[in-house]
This record gives sequence, C-alpha cells and structure tokens, in this order.
Amino acid sequence: EDQVTQSPEALRLQEGESSSLNCSYTVSGLRGLFWYRQDPGKGPEFLFTLYSAGEEKEKERLKATLTKKESFLHITAPKPEDSATYLCAASGAGSYQLTFGKGTKLSVIP
Amino acid sequence: DVKVTQSSRYLVKRTGEKVFLECVQDMDHENMFWYRQDPGLGLRLIYFSYDVKMKEKGDIPEGYSVSREKKERFSLILESASTNQTSMYLCASSLYPTYDRGLVKNIQYFGAGTRLSVL
Repeated sequence: EDQVTQSPEALRLQEGESSSLNCSYTVSGLRGLFWYRQDPGKGPEFLFTLYSAGEEKEKERLKATLTKKESFLHITAPKPEDSATYLCAASGAGSYQLTFGKGTKLSVIP
Repeated sequence: DVKVTQSSRYLVKRTGEKVFLECVQDMDHENMFWYRQDPGLGLRLIYFSYDVKMKEKGDIPEGYSVSREKKERFSLILESASTNQTSMYLCASSLYPTYDRGLVKNIQYFGAGTRLSVL
C-alpha cells in the first residue's frame, strides 16, 4: 500500500527564518511527487511536480527537491503570506490516484 | 488557467436529507475526483471517474454515490446524510495520465471546496 508521511505536523517560523518541510513516501514505482499549498477554507493549489531523484524546482521562496525516499520543501526567508498548509502527494505506477500526506501547517510570524 | 467550480461553498443539511454536491471543470479533463478532508485525517478519496458514465470507488465510498453524465460535470450524492458526513468536500480534475519517458502527467486541480454541516 502506498504511503506518504509528512513532518512536522506544524511549524512556526519567524519571518526570515529559513527551514524545510519533509515528505517521506513509500510508493510502488513512483511516477510523480506533487506539492500543494492550501489556505484555510480553500482548496489545494498546485505548486510543483517532481519526477526523478535529484530533480529540483523553485518558485519564489520555495524550492522542492526529491530523493528516492523523500522530498523536501525548502522555504527561504519566509514571509507571513507563506503561512498555509503544505500538502505532499505521490502517484504510483498504473494509478489514476494520488496518495496524500496529512500536511504540514506552516505559520510565519512577523 | 484551469477552473474547477464547486456549486456551494457552505451547505447546512438535516440528518436523512439527500444532498447533491456539484462540480464543473472547464479544461476538458477526463478524470474527476471527490475527496473529503477532515482534521488529522487528511484528504481521503471517495470516488473518481475516468470517463463519462464511468466511476470507481475510492478509499471511503460508503454512504456516497456519484454521477457523471457529462464530461465537465461530476456530482457527489449523499443518499441519506448523517452527522459523520460533516466535512470539507473537495472536487478535483486532471487529464488522463500520459506517460512520457516514464513520467506521469496527471496534475490534479482542485475546486475551492464545500464545507458541509449535517445537523
């Protein structure tokens, strides 16, 4: 059974304090690793897809990386508007479905 | 931009009522999905559809049914609403997975969600 585990569950950062969110996955034949951002009361918003170990993608203060067992979402010099829940999901071989982690709730304090 | 529209942001229903949640996407996507999201449990797949009139059960289909009569519209039906179905319901759509050198292109795009309260 495919599994995706995110840590920590919650993270509080001071504005400008860089950190990383972790996503560990156990997926048969990984076809894609996805990161989403979700604001309170809204649907998840797509951020990145990573396909192979060693791949990196960046968007503003966010950088996502992928190894054979984990993905990291690095947040550099975060701002309060980066506060949200970040979801990780994985797609396995031969599946239409994504397996989601439970998310990391990030709070950036001014 | 992909647009997935859910008919209601908030809904309050009584126990035993039949409830319809509607979802429409404008990107000609083949796949559509219904999830529910609860604190501490994350997103759980209820049903998905990979074509008109086709459906597959997800992880938690009990108490729900779906309908997909047109490609752009996917409906979630609670036949007899119960209090344990109080939740945030999210609809998503994606293209049919295409494989390019082993990489899957099946980004799911989500609607804004419907927060359903069953009293």
